[in-house]
Amino acid sequence: SQQGEEDPQALSIQEGENATMNCSYKTSINNLQWYRQNSGRGLVHLILIRSNEREKHSGRLRVTLDTSKKSSSLLITASRAADTASYFCATDVGDTGKLIFGQGTTLQVKP
Amino acid sequence: EPEVTQTPSHQVTQMGQEVILRCVPISNHLYFYWYRQILGQKVEFLVSFYNNEISEKSEIFDDQFSVERPDGSNFTLKIRSTKLEDSAMYFCASSKGTSGSQETQYFGPGTRLLVL
Repeated sequence: SQQGEEDPQALSIQEGENATMNCSYKTSINNLQWYRQNSGRGLVHLILIRSNEREKHSGRLRVTLDTSKKSSSLLITASRAADTASYFCATDVGDTGKLIFGQGTTLQVKP
Repeated sequence: EPEVTQTPSHQVTQMGQEVILRCVPISNHLYFYWYRQILGQKVEFLVSFYNNEISEKSEIFDDQFSVERPDGSNFTLKIRSTKLEDSAMYFCASSKGTSGSQETQYFGPGTRLLVL
């Protein structure tokens, strides 16, 4: 498996439901960052969680990190149609800030 | 809120031509990066740049690629002789940190490069 694998690859839910996306990685990390990308557009930073943190919240977003399992999850609560996008996890593994991205989860929120 | 900007938004070029992609990082940031995303694929790291020199580069970043910070605000990626497989979205990013890691990277909107 590769550093930064995401699961599921695609997710379709109804507005108002919660969406959970998972990310697994192989090596030790400095931090893990979640990004959002609307189709064909730029990457928007959502949240950064450091290796010594277990959970972080930002608005409707909740990120967890389990370094023993080398995995992270992104939970979007009370989803909206505007949350439709691709979501990527990216791991910071070295000392230069290089990020290794996963393949992403494509989320569709139906109104 | 400060943003990373990139120009042009789209560029079409002929194979073998040189292209320069431009970025203006956030003004008080110290680390600069280029990534690329081939259509339908994941984002790939190209190079990191700090203190006017490359701090890390990937296998993709071969002799055809170069980066430069020609003045206090711009950060450029040059592809000397473009190939068809260079067609991709190129993202510039910057971070504030003094160590490079442990810092949020802010991405620009990207330049979509099409090599014909």
